[in-house]
Amino acid sequence: AQSVAQPEDQVNVAEGNPLTVKCTYSVSGNPYLFWYVQYPNRGLQFLLKYITGDNLVKGSYGFEAEFNKSQTSFHLKKPSALVSDSALYFCAVRVTGFQKLVFGTGTRLLVSP
Amino acid sequence: GAVVSQHPSRVICKSGTSVKIECRSLDFQATTMFWYRQFPKQSLMLMATSNEGSKATYEQGVEKDKFLINHASLTLSTLTVTSAHPEDSSFYICSAKTTSGAPGELFFGEGSRLTVL
Repeated sequence: AQSVAQPEDQVNVAEGNPLTVKCTYSVSGNPYLFWYVQYPNRGLQFLLKYITGDNLVKGSYGFEAEFNKSQTSFHLKKPSALVSDSALYFCAVRVTGFQKLVFGTGTRLLVSP
Repeated sequence: GAVVSQHPSRVICKSGTSVKIECRSLDFQATTMFWYRQFPKQSLMLMATSNEGSKATYEQGVEKDKFLINHASLTLSTLTVTSAHPEDSSFYICSAKTTSGAPGELFFGEGSRLTVL
């Protein structure tokens, strides 16, 4: 069964520093991986996806993610964090053969001034 | 970009009443929509997959008679929480897939917070 793990409940980083939010996955077949961000009492906003091609995927708001097949990881990164990046981040994987997504438990990112 | 609208954003109701939440794709046709439930500080739990013109497919453990889903048109899906009880209080989020999007790429509504008194 497809699954996604986000090992960190919260990540704290100072503004201007690089940030990484971790995600590992387990799928049968080729993975379709996604990152979404959620602000309080709001729906999810799409950040980026990996379907095929380059392992480094660039997305919205300066975020990027690196697909690593050998480590089954898809970590979200940003070179320089902003206070406004503080939010809840979800990694997700598409269930093979279906359109639905399975989400990780989410990681709260807190960027301090 | 693809926009999904949910209404209402917040609703408070009395125990025993039914509440309907609408999910609309504003600038695209969505043959498939998904309904998620999110508990405080937890991840999203997929409740059901809504297919236009056919019955919804519910995830294991989700009561079909409790959470009625109707997808009557290519731009509208509704979730009705019947005979709501306080334990149904939650944040409900819908999502939709465009026909041109990548497999699994979904666009989400803003969510609807239901509080049952």
